[in-house]
Amino acid sequence: EAGVTQFPSHSVIEKGQTVTLRCDPISGHDNLYWYRRVMGKEIKFLLHFVKESKQDESGMPNNRFLAERTGGTYSTLKVQPAELEDSGVYFCASRPSGGPYEQYFGPGTRLTVT
Amino acid sequence: QKEVEQDPGPLSVPEGAIVSLNCTYSNSAFQYFMWYRQYSRKGPELLMYTYSSGNKEDGRFTAQVDKSSKYISLFIRDSQPSDSATYLCAMSGPGGYNKLIFGAGTRLAVHP
Repeated sequence: EAGVTQFPSHSVIEKGQTVTLRCDPISGHDNLYWYRRVMGKEIKFLLHFVKESKQDESGMPNNRFLAERTGGTYSTLKVQPAELEDSGVYFCASRPSGGPYEQYFGPGTRLTVT
Repeated sequence: QKEVEQDPGPLSVPEGAIVSLNCTYSNSAFQYFMWYRQYSRKGPELLMYTYSSGNKEDGRFTAQVDKSSKYISLFIRDSQPSDSATYLCAMSGPGGYNKLIFGAGTRLAVHP
């Protein structure tokens, strides 16, 4: 069974540009989460999808961030326009409906905004 | 004040040592407690998962939760160089499907 995959693994963009991160969850996992870790800080929750619906987006930092999960499969996280403080590692995790409650994490996308 | 406090280390121990990793938390609503291991340039991987208070053992790893003290621990027995990684504690509220609240992570180095 393939794990959670994320693309790209690393992205370097200039301030003001747009970047789109992609996450492919484990097949059949209805729950998809986005987290990020900025330099020197702990991993923080961004938002949670159940299928194509946003269950909780309380962690989204501002309206420059837009997450979508069309069709309830893969998800994208767009940052537009990117700012320096958006640099960090963005993780995606997925989990099946019901138990167990383990969230399976992808390898992350390292975003560098210069 | 952070919801979850974890000493970032680094922690360096000789091979074979017993390692103790700890986290404290402030939110009494947390019910699910997890320990993740993260190797460099990889995503977090679940090691141990505990519901409410108590102990759980899996091989060389033991997780303890003391809800009265809001304190959780992970013990690694007979540590190996392959255990060198960052260990993250994480917690979630009722239901278990909620967002995870992470500690900062403790970097562990086990030297031969």
